[in-house]
Amino acid sequence: DIQMTQSPSSLSASVGDRVTITCQASQDISNYLNWYQQKPGKAPRLLIYGASNLETGVPSRFSGTGSGTDFTFTISSLQPEDIATYYCQQYDLLPPWTFGQGTKVEI
Amino acid sequence: QVQLQESGPGLVKPSETLSLTCAVSGYSISSGYYWGWIRQLPGKGLEWIGSIYHNGHTYSNPSVKSRVTLSVDTSKNQFSLKLTSVTAADTAVYYCARSRSSTVGQFAPWGQGNLVTVSS
Repeated sequence: DIQMTQSPSSLSASVGDRVTITCQASQDISNYLNWYQQKPGKAPRLLIYGASNLETGVPSRFSGTGSGTDFTFTISSLQPEDIATYYCQQYDLLPPWTFGQGTKVEI
Repeated sequence: QVQLQESGPGLVKPSETLSLTCAVSGYSISSGYYWGWIRQLPGKGLEWIGSIYHNGHTYSNPSVKSRVTLSVDTSKNQFSLKLTSVTAADTAVYYCARSRSSTVGQFAPWGQGNLVTVSS
């Protein structure tokens, strides 16, 4: 299975800060990488697909970059409603599709 | 807009079979896309269980493949998960989700989740 390693596991930032989360795959996954946001008690929500494509309806302060094994997720200006846990997930050609362990973002 | 809703028992005894159904509204399963199950262990991360196409083609996680059965009922516009021989390690919130597009490994949207506890 492809292992996904996220860092940091948690972070604290202020409103308006730029927040960056990294995700590393254990092997080359091209750009087959999604980012999800999960608020407490809620289901995950897809934010970014294909490493850098913004899902419809997602604010433009969210962005993603990367390819191969190294990926970055950025919130350009943290808002109070962005408090959540963020997960990366790879969907390489063959299953199983696997998730990172999550990054909890707090203010 | 497409909406998904899981249903099933919240408590299952060890060694028994966990059965969940996901009812879909706002979209016909027979029109396409893959329909999947993902679980979240208590306080931990997410694990993809399996996905099924409307024609019955499935992908399953090898970690549970021998215990998993996925099925689709297009007449009721719902799909189902059965997990046999459950143990406490199967205690989790179980989510159903649609693939975002024809790409099976992108999950959007998701159901609200169904907590299943395995305990005697």
